[in-house]
Amino acid sequence: DTAVSQTPKYLVTQMGNDKSIKCEQNLGHDTMYWYKQDSKKFLKIMFSYNNKELIINETVPNRFSPKSPDKAHLNLHINSLELGDSAVYFCASSRGQGNTGELFFGEGSRLTVL
Amino acid sequence: QQPVQSPQAVILREGEDAVINCSSSKALYSVHWYRQKHGEAPVFLMILLKGGEQKGHDKISASFNEKKQQSSLYLTASQLSYSGTYFCGTENIGQGGKLIFGQGTELSVKP
Repeated sequence: DTAVSQTPKYLVTQMGNDKSIKCEQNLGHDTMYWYKQDSKKFLKIMFSYNNKELIINETVPNRFSPKSPDKAHLNLHINSLELGDSAVYFCASSRGQGNTGELFFGEGSRLTVL
Repeated sequence: QQPVQSPQAVILREGEDAVINCSSSKALYSVHWYRQKHGEAPVFLMILLKGGEQKGHDKISASFNEKKQQSSLYLTASQLSYSGTYFCGTENIGQGGKLIFGQGTELSVKP
């Protein structure tokens, strides 16, 4: 029973397209995150939500729009994809709010923009 | 502000020890350590919350020097399973909820 699950695991698409990645956690956590890991393995925080409310928006281009319909789900929609968006996107969750506790990561979604 | 890890890469023989360092230019509330194996998600190792705190996790332990804004991860008697990329993550005082990861240290343990 996967704690944090993301779909799809792989996306290959053309520049200019729009794509979405979905994330669900069954841990009962209040906070969810999106991290981007580039080809050099740099893990960069993008967004965090606490109980459906946006807490962190880390100067991400507005082509990226997160949506949290409820505290167990955090989706990421990306418009007008660019080559530089190619990366692995990790969803994560943690208990509580304020300071970050243990992060539970999903398996990642590898996005390739051609 | 991204913490800086050193070294960038380490190659060990089974049974050898290693130290990975993490330093920040800003006052820290906490330091986190994660390990990521190739093609997998990062996995939590430990959090250090107090200055001078030390924690242990099997043969992996860590220290946090609040005054120096540094943390070190100690891997003793390394096993093949320790191979992977180790990331420290830091939370600055006043920026709770924002975990910033270092660039990673790639550890390879050979038989």
